[in-house]
Amino acid sequence: EPEVTQTPSHQVTQMGQEVILRCVPISNHLYFYWYRQILGQKVEFLVSFYNNEISEKSEIFDDQFSVERPDGSNFTLKIRSTKLEDSAMYFCASGAMGAGNEQFFGPGTRLTVL
Amino acid sequence: GESVGLHLPTLSVQEGDNSIINCAYSNSASDYFIWYKQESGKGPQFIIDIRSNMDKRQGQRVTVLLNKTVKHLSLQIAATQPGDSAVYFCAARPVGATNKLIFGTGTLLAVQP
Repeated sequence: EPEVTQTPSHQVTQMGQEVILRCVPISNHLYFYWYRQILGQKVEFLVSFYNNEISEKSEIFDDQFSVERPDGSNFTLKIRSTKLEDSAMYFCASGAMGAGNEQFFGPGTRLTVL
Repeated sequence: GESVGLHLPTLSVQEGDNSIINCAYSNSASDYFIWYKQESGKGPQFIIDIRSNMDKRQGQRVTVLLNKTVKHLSLQIAATQPGDSAVYFCAARPVGATNKLIFGTGTLLAVQP
């Protein structure tokens, strides 16, 4: 069964450093998403991406965040200058259609900012 | 705006019993709802969804009920098994949001053998 994969599973970084979280969505999917989950809290929407551009983003997704689909298979989330409060699980998701249909989630990357 | 919340943070049931997990949402114009299951260390896993033009939808051992009058969503799990132990999230799509899902805070379902 096809699945969304994410690397690394755990990323530790120093405050102020840039990080890139990587995702490989399911191959025939067209919609891509990033969510985050701070420990013990709810899953929060960050951004959606379709047709090589951001289709929607939350207030969390400020200028420090960017997404890219560099090669037709990977989907990345970059945080330019990490802050302590960026520590969270980051989930990538993909879908064959829009959010009115199922989104498939990856296993997540745990980001720890020291 | 939309907020999605859960009535109970923890639900403990005996194996074989039926489980009911509840969720309330604030935006009456939400048109799509999903239940996700999240096991420890894993990403959310789709369980079942329902559109706002429906009141009930059944899957394998699971049923989702939508009461638009009181803006309430529930997930019923029949014959709960130890493998059902997880955190369950409801999520809603606000009308006008093309892709965004708003998640609830989660209910921990603990199945006692």
